[in-house]
Amino acid sequence: SAVISQKPSRDICQRGTSLTIQCQVDSQVTMMFWYRQQPGQSLTLIATANQGSEATYESGFVIDKFPISRPNLTFSTLTVSNMSPEDSSIYLCSAFSREGGYTFGSGTRLTVV
Amino acid sequence: DAKTTQPPSMDCAEGRAANLPCNHSTISGNEYVYWYRQIHSQGPQYIIHGLKNNETNEMASLIITEDRKSSTLILPHATLRDTAVYYCIVLNSGGSNYKLTFGKGTLLTVNP
Repeated sequence: SAVISQKPSRDICQRGTSLTIQCQVDSQVTMMFWYRQQPGQSLTLIATANQGSEATYESGFVIDKFPISRPNLTFSTLTVSNMSPEDSSIYLCSAFSREGGYTFGSGTRLTVV
Repeated sequence: DAKTTQPPSMDCAEGRAANLPCNHSTISGNEYVYWYRQIHSQGPQYIIHGLKNNETNEMASLIITEDRKSSTLILPHATLRDTAVYYCIVLNSGGSNYKLTFGKGTLLTVNP
């Protein structure tokens, strides 16, 4: 299965600023996804990152707050914009291919102060 | 995708088999049952998946009932490192919707 490298692994940010998280896969994959995991909670899907087009967002998530890019079949970024303490969570990248199934990155632990 | 129901927590003694149940009574014929686990502070890890037959790999066994309305993940000899949240997910991976939707899962605690 694919191996995902996610950066940064953790960060502490000031409220009102933005953070961009990078997800690099070691092979071409069909689909890439971004999840949020709030403290003590399960994973919630934010959006599907579409290669060469706008991401598909789940209910409750909007592009202005979580802009996503996917310029090619192995790379995607998620930006958390205009952060507030409520955005403190773990953000995870996931990739799917028919050959390798689903793989997850190790996550970015974000603390907003 | 069909909804799943899992107990919120379970305990298991080290070295014994851990049997984690999952109810998916609304599963349809082309939906697979996937199991993932998440060890604290890590990304979810794939364990096993199946459609209708029982499956076994180096990590676990998956037993699916004949009516496919429930399944059991079996860790044959649980170790302390198996302490994690285990997620049962139903997914039609043969269709166009590849989204994995996570429920609350079962927190398995393996005790010495």
